[in-house]
Amino acid sequence: LAKTTQPISMDSYEGQEVNITCSHNNIATNDYITWYQQFPSQGPRFIIQGYKTKVTNEVASLFIPADRKSSTLSLPRVSLSDTAVYYCLVDPMFSGGYNKLIFGAGTRLAVHP
Amino acid sequence: GAVVSQHPSRVICKSGTSVKIECRSLDFQATTMFWYRQFPKQSLMLMATSNEGSKATYEQGVEKDKFLINHASLTLSTLTVTSAHPEDSSFYICSARDRSSGRSNEQFFGPGTRLTVL
Repeated sequence: LAKTTQPISMDSYEGQEVNITCSHNNIATNDYITWYQQFPSQGPRFIIQGYKTKVTNEVASLFIPADRKSSTLSLPRVSLSDTAVYYCLVDPMFSGGYNKLIFGAGTRLAVHP
Repeated sequence: GAVVSQHPSRVICKSGTSVKIECRSLDFQATTMFWYRQFPKQSLMLMATSNEGSKATYEQGVEKDKFLINHASLTLSTLTVTSAHPEDSSFYICSARDRSSGRSNEQFFGPGTRLTVL
């Protein structure tokens, strides 16, 4: 399973755009890139997933360059409630539900007033 | 979206006792469920993969006799921490994939169970 590297922590202020970059140099052809958010004492929550180029949903955007060796999660106009740990994972394409997720250290985002 | 529940949400037990944690997929079938453990300020560590109707697959370093996993149906997996000790105190999280989901790579996580062993 590909290893991911993210910044350990980031700080931002309310209303700013936050970009968290993740490197996954050994990503395989059949790997998706998936981001999860985790609040203290809760299970992780799916944010966004992509394979290449750009993906956008109601919460975030995910930018993936052509070589797919990195990805950037973009959170527009963060609020205090976005303070959480964000995990970047690479995940093999669906293979019947058996593929497991290995979590890296994640990025601890703190949003300040 | 798909929902995964865990019971209990928190449990306190005495050293030497066994504790069972349930993980249920409420509105979908999950052939495979996963169990994670998370210590304070640390990331999730995968403990085992729970397969319906067969033996669980444990990650390296996880004692299968210590952490018993049973996946008796497509909606229920249980983790039993046997002869718990204070070092087993942790946050236990389960997850599952929805076999029928269009977002088939999305893994749904339970809310977690806080285990404290005195």
